[in-house]
Formats: sequence, C-alpha cells, structure tokens
Amino acid sequence: QVQLVESGGGLVKPGGSLRLSCAASGFTFSDYYLSWIRQAPGKGLEWVSYISSSGSTIYYADSVKGRFSISRDNAKNSLFLQMNSLRAGDTAVYYCARLRSKWELYVDYWGQGTLVTVSS
Amino acid sequence: EIVLTQSPGTLSLSPGERATLSCRASQSVSSSSLAWYQQKPGQAPRLVIYGASSRATGIPDRFSGSGSGTDFTLTISRLEPEDFAVYYCQQYGSSLTFGGGTEVESK
Repeated sequence: QVQLVESGGGLVKPGGSLRLSCAASGFTFSDYYLSWIRQAPGKGLEWVSYISSSGSTIYYADSVKGRFSISRDNAKNSLFLQMNSLRAGDTAVYYCARLRSKWELYVDYWGQGTLVTVSS
Repeated sequence: EIVLTQSPGTLSLSPGERATLSCRASQSVSSSSLAWYQQKPGQAPRLVIYGASSRATGIPDRFSGSGSGTDFTLTISRLEPEDFAVYYCQQYGSSLTFGGGTEVESK
C-alpha cells in the first residue's frame, strides 16, 4: 500500500533552517509528481511546493519562494524540503503528498505530517 | 491566482440530514479540475471527490460532487456520525489553490 512518512520537523528559532524528508513506499516513486502542503495550527491547507516526476518542473508558493527548496531522490524514493530563513508564520504541520498525475494535480495520498515550530 | 471561497463556514446538522457545501471560484476552473477533501481532527486530509464529480476509492455513494465553471457543490445525502469533519475544496486547473474549509458539525 502507498505510504508517505515525513520526518525532520521540530522547534527552530526565527531565521534558522530545517530540512524535511519524506520516505515513500508502495508505488513507483519516479512516476509521480509530489508536493509539500502545510497547515498552520487551527487553520486551513496551503500549498507550499510541488515537483515533477523527473524534478525538472518545480512550483513554489509566493510565501516561501526564495527561502524554501524542494528536491527528490528517485533512487532512494525520497522527497525533501529545505527550509531557510524560517519565520513564525511558517509554523505548521507539513504534509508530504502524492499528486495523481501531471494533468490532475490533486492529492490522492497524504502522509501523516510533521510539525515545524518556529519560535524563539 | 484563482481564489476559492467556501460557504458556509460551519454547518450544524444532525445525523441523517442532508449537507450541502459550496465552493465558489473567482475565475472559471478549467476542465472541472476541482477536488474535495475531508479532514478529521488530528488526521491528514482524505480525498473525497476529484474532477468535480468523481468519487475517490472507498468513498460511499452518499457523497456526491457537482458543478462547473465557478460554482461547485459537495453533497452528503444522509449524514453518518463519521462524516462530521472539515471539508476543503481545491482547484487544479490553473496553479493550485485550496478553499478555506467548511466544518460540518453535529447539532
């Protein structure tokens, strides 16, 4: 069965950095677009970034552009999110998500999420 | 960017009642590229509807989606206790955006 397991969350000071990882299993990783989606405490869902199956196409939300970097390792079935210059407003649960296809960018599988807290 | 506005913010209903949730887009959503997700407290969201009206795997037929252009609806014909949750719409026709969510709560 499809599994997405995030790791790397935690408490970080404003201005600091954190690297999230997502380990995938149960499907052919290199065939799928993948995404990071976040949810601030008590708030709604927000797209952060997505990456194409080959890594050649990348999207970032304006709120993270220039600070966050998405990447993937198809040999290791892993997705990453490098987060720099973190702000209090980046505090959220970060979900790793599989997108259905290149032409249907909705999420068909979600991870359980990892909490990132930015606070001094 | 297409902005999605969901209404109402909260829907208070009893089990067995019909729930009608609205998602309105600021511009036309191409090819009915709209999905609905259900989220329960402490859990990740789950896909309910894609392509505006297609049910995801394992979703019971009391859930139905309809609409096109700028107006979309998620209907739950008879609420079961496990249906009380927050529901989000998402468009994927032009970039990607989520609506703000509708909470379906038990009256």
